[in-house]
Amino acid sequence: EPEVTQTPSHQVTQMGQEVILRCVPISNHLYFYWYRQILGQKVEFLVSFYNNEISEKSEIFDDQFSVERPDGSNFTLKIRSTKLEDSAMYFCASSARSSLNTGELFFGEGSRLTVL
Amino acid sequence: DQQVKQNSPSLSVQEGRISILNCDYTNSMFDYFLWYKKYPAEGPTFLISISSIKDKNEDGRFTVFLNKSAKHLSLHIVPSQPGDSAVYFCAAPDRTGANNLFFGTGTRLTVIP
Repeated sequence: EPEVTQTPSHQVTQMGQEVILRCVPISNHLYFYWYRQILGQKVEFLVSFYNNEISEKSEIFDDQFSVERPDGSNFTLKIRSTKLEDSAMYFCASSARSSLNTGELFFGEGSRLTVL
Repeated sequence: DQQVKQNSPSLSVQEGRISILNCDYTNSMFDYFLWYKKYPAEGPTFLISISSIKDKNEDGRFTVFLNKSAKHLSLHIVPSQPGDSAVYFCAAPDRTGANNLFFGTGTRLTVIP
């Protein structure tokens, strides 16, 4: 069964350092997302990406965050200068269609980021 | 903002009995709702959904009920099995056809053998 894969599974970094989280979406999917879950809190939408550009982003997704699809397969989330409050589980997701009214959103296993 | 709320952080149920997980929402514009299940060290996986034009949707052991006037939905699992032990999230797209979801905080279900 096709799946979304994410690396690394866990990254520990010092505050102020840059972090890149990588994702390989399901191969025939066209819509890509990043969500995050701070420990004990709800899963929150960060950004959606389609046709090589951001289609929507939340208030969380400020100038410290960026996404790109550098090579047609990977989908990356970069945090330029990490803060303590960026510590969270980051989930990549992909879908074949833009509408989520069918539940067709597939999540990866997540990348846990710990900022010290 | 907490547009989707799950007020019970945990629920324990005996194997074979019914599990009822609840979710409330505040945004009357929501017209579609989804339930996701999450095991430890895995991402959320889609379980079942319901459109606001319905009040019930059933898929095997899983049934979701929607009460629009109360802005409330519930997920029923009958009979509950130990493999159902997971965290369950309800979610809603922020507008029709939107590709971002509002999630609740989740309810951890433990099914006791």
